[in-house]
Amino acid sequence: GAGVSQSPRYKVAKRGQDVALRCDPISGHVSLFWYQQALGQGPEFLTYFQNEAQLDKSGLPSDRFFAERPEGSVSTLKIQRTQQEDSAVYLCASSLLGGGNTGELFFGEGSRLTVL
Amino acid sequence: GQQLNQSPQSMFIQEGEDVSMNCTSSSIFNTWLWYKQDPGEGPVLLIALYKAGELTSNGRLTAQFGITRKDSFLNISASIPSDVGIYFCAGHLSGGSNYKLTFGKGTLLTVNP
Repeated sequence: GAGVSQSPRYKVAKRGQDVALRCDPISGHVSLFWYQQALGQGPEFLTYFQNEAQLDKSGLPSDRFFAERPEGSVSTLKIQRTQQEDSAVYLCASSLLGGGNTGELFFGEGSRLTVL
Repeated sequence: GQQLNQSPQSMFIQEGEDVSMNCTSSSIFNTWLWYKQDPGEGPVLLIALYKAGELTSNGRLTAQFGITRKDSFLNISASIPSDVGIYFCAGHLSGGSNYKLTFGKGTLLTVNP
């Protein structure tokens, strides 16, 4: 597709379950980002990939959160042993450039995670 | 946590009115960006500002990068119903990474036709 695609759009998990959220960035985009958006808040940075390299994971809330982009295109955000406070929309974004200036970010529609 | 104070939190206006919203911070920013987010969608970039004092327009939208580099405003003229949504300011912190965006909490705009 032409834009950033995320799946699933909606996920309901029981507390303690593991979840995996997928992001298909725009083809050829070097940079990929994950942001977390809690209800009524702005997005907050989680992690950044340049191609397959995870250059910054400083925003990941705990070691239960793990992200990968093994071939430099599709990325997966995994959350282990989900907790209620993990409930949020998880936004993926990609941009054409890497390095010093990543350029405009194009966001996906997000994956809304609800943990019961 | 977020370091941007965005106001107002929400606005309810009549179609045709002009709208103004702003962001302030105690920290210096290298860039200021304004995004719009519709329900169930991701944010979409409206305007990007790269220099202190810069004033940029995009159709009915005008935004400025404050001279102190600690604030920005967005104006929407002659609002129309499709302007409804949540508007976010965002920026790259000076001294921080040039890829990590810090977002405000958003301004919810409702336009009454």
